[in-house]
Amino acid sequence: EPEVTQTPSHQVTQMGQEVILRCVPISNHLYFYWYRQILGQKVEFLVSFYNNEISEKSEIFDDQFSVERPDGSNFTLKIRSTKLEDSAMYFCASRIGGTGTDTQYFGPGTRLTVL
Amino acid sequence: GNSVTQMEGPVTLSEEAFLTINCTYTATGYPSLFWYVQYPGEGLQLLLKATKADDKGSNKGFEATYRKETTSFHLEKGSVQVSDSAVYFCALHGRNFNKFYFGSGTKLNVKP
Repeated sequence: EPEVTQTPSHQVTQMGQEVILRCVPISNHLYFYWYRQILGQKVEFLVSFYNNEISEKSEIFDDQFSVERPDGSNFTLKIRSTKLEDSAMYFCASRIGGTGTDTQYFGPGTRLTVL
Repeated sequence: GNSVTQMEGPVTLSEEAFLTINCTYTATGYPSLFWYVQYPGEGLQLLLKATKADDKGSNKGFEATYRKETTSFHLEKGSVQVSDSAVYFCALHGRNFNKFYFGSGTKLNVKP
């Protein structure tokens, strides 16, 4: 069964450093998402991406964040200058599209630790 | 606005006990409702979903019924197993919005 994959599984970085989290969505899916989950808290929407542009972003997704689909298969989330409060599990998701009720399929997550 | 409220955990049960995890929602329009499960150290897996009022989603012995009159989508299982120990998230997704709204998650511990 096709699945969303994410790399790395765990990233440790120093405050102020740039990180890039990578995702490979399911191949025929058209909509892509990033969510994050701070330890012990709810999963929060960050951004959605369709047709090579951001379709919606949350208040969390400020100028320090960017997303890209560089090569038609990968979907990346970049944090330019990490802060301690960026430490969280980051989930990528994709859905096939067509209607607003389609299921989103989530990757296993990347745990980001900012020191 | 759109939001999901789940009962707080942790919920601790003995094996073969009956499980209910309450979930209520507020939403504009007619959302689809989902339960996702997160096993220790893993990502979010779809457990079940329902797309319209009175639909019942079911999977692996779990079920939940979309109740529009009470704006609820409570998760139930008749006989839990130790392997069901995980965090369960209720979520909604609607035709008019392009993202999930998740509840805060309910941790389930099942003791042998």
